[in-house]
Amino acid sequence: GEDVEQSLFLSVREGDSSVINCTYTDSSSTYLYWYKQEPGAGLQLLTYIFSNMDMKQDQRLTVLLNKKDKHLSLRIADTQTGDSAIYFCAESIHDKIIFGKGTRLHILP
Amino acid sequence: EPEVTQTPSHQVTQMGQEVILRCVPISNHLYFYWYRQILGQKVEFLVSFYNNEISEKSEIFDDQFSVERPDGSNFTLKIRSTKLEDSAMYFCASSEGGEIEKLFFGSGTQLSVL
Repeated sequence: GEDVEQSLFLSVREGDSSVINCTYTDSSSTYLYWYKQEPGAGLQLLTYIFSNMDMKQDQRLTVLLNKKDKHLSLRIADTQTGDSAIYFCAESIHDKIIFGKGTRLHILP
Repeated sequence: EPEVTQTPSHQVTQMGQEVILRCVPISNHLYFYWYRQILGQKVEFLVSFYNNEISEKSEIFDDQFSVERPDGSNFTLKIRSTKLEDSAMYFCASSEGGEIEKLFFGSGTQLSVL
């Protein structure tokens, strides 16, 4: 089946690292994604990883993929107030993207 | 930077009325999509569209829904007779080729059915 699960909320102190976790069920996914949604805005593609990779780093963002456990994570180093948003995990299946419910990241001062 | 534009940002309608949600995809993109997000739930795939026809649709996309590319720039989603449960944020997206990793989303239209 097609399902993507992630926790709904995460609170992190400014300057700390945020780690958002996600599990998915379909092992045939080609790409796995992290999208960011700020209030009143659309879904912004943050980063994606091809399913045959296990890690991708892009400045403050690190994506880890454990294909055996179907587990994807997004680490944001040195979390800033501007990182406050909803983060969606997603997987591609054929020509559509299946999203999770989103994790709301709250930054504590 | 090019972007996908959706209008209106908010739409309020009475149950049973027809609504048309409009999208202007990025100009050189060939693949178009509609997704929706009911409050508190997942972003759900509705339909994909390429070469003037639907390439895939979900079970949500029943006979009440239709899509059209009426001219060279717009991509519309029509709901013929809205129901209360159609209330959601509707997102349009487009990609240049079939590269699913390069999907660009609009900022959405919030549809409220009363």
